[in-house]
Amino acid sequence: AQKVTQAQTEISVVEKEDVTLDCVYETRDTTYYLFWYKQPPSGELVFLIRRNSFDEQNEISGRYSWNFQKSTSSFNFTITASQVVDSAVYFCALSEVIQGAQKLVFGQGTRLTINP
Amino acid sequence: NAGVTQTPKFQVLKTGQSMTLQCAQDMNHEYMSWYRQDPGMGLRLIHYSVGAGITDQGEVPNGYNVSRSTTEDFPLRLLSAAPSQTSVYFCASSPGTGSPGRSYEQYFGPGTRLTVT
Repeated sequence: AQKVTQAQTEISVVEKEDVTLDCVYETRDTTYYLFWYKQPPSGELVFLIRRNSFDEQNEISGRYSWNFQKSTSSFNFTITASQVVDSAVYFCALSEVIQGAQKLVFGQGTRLTINP
Repeated sequence: NAGVTQTPKFQVLKTGQSMTLQCAQDMNHEYMSWYRQDPGMGLRLIHYSVGAGITDQGEVPNGYNVSRSTTEDFPLRLLSAAPSQTSVYFCASSPGTGSPGRSYEQYFGPGTRLTVT
């Protein structure tokens, strides 16, 4: 079965520090997709990124960057120069396709607190 | 576009009561799904639908029913509420249903916080 592990339950840093959120996954599929979602204190889930298993290039979007390493089955997320508004729960997810339908398998989430 | 909408935002039920959580999307997405979020467990898939008239079970379907009579709506019914169903429920939709080698991002509604006493 597919599995996503976010070993860091909670992280707390001071504003402007860089922080990396870890995500390790297990899958038998050769082609798969990985996602990151953000859940701010208001509770909604915000899509951040989708990455397929054939594309191992790192991705950067402003202060956010993602490091996908197939060799270690990891898809880590780094926030550079963190800000208080980055405080949220972050979820990593793996998509599996079963009988023609995709299903997301989520990690347990990492609660990130940025202190001023 | 309103995106994915859910009603109600909050609900308190007594054990044994039934109710329907509403979900609608205006993006003409084929794929819709329901998740529950419990502390320390991430989100778990309850039911999903790849189009009108087609539904299937996810990881934790027991105690829930769904139907999909239109592309826009995907209600979730609790048949006889139990305290174990206290959770936050999220509905999501996606522009594609998925195929071998291809998956799509899912867009989530604001959630319904349900308490069963």
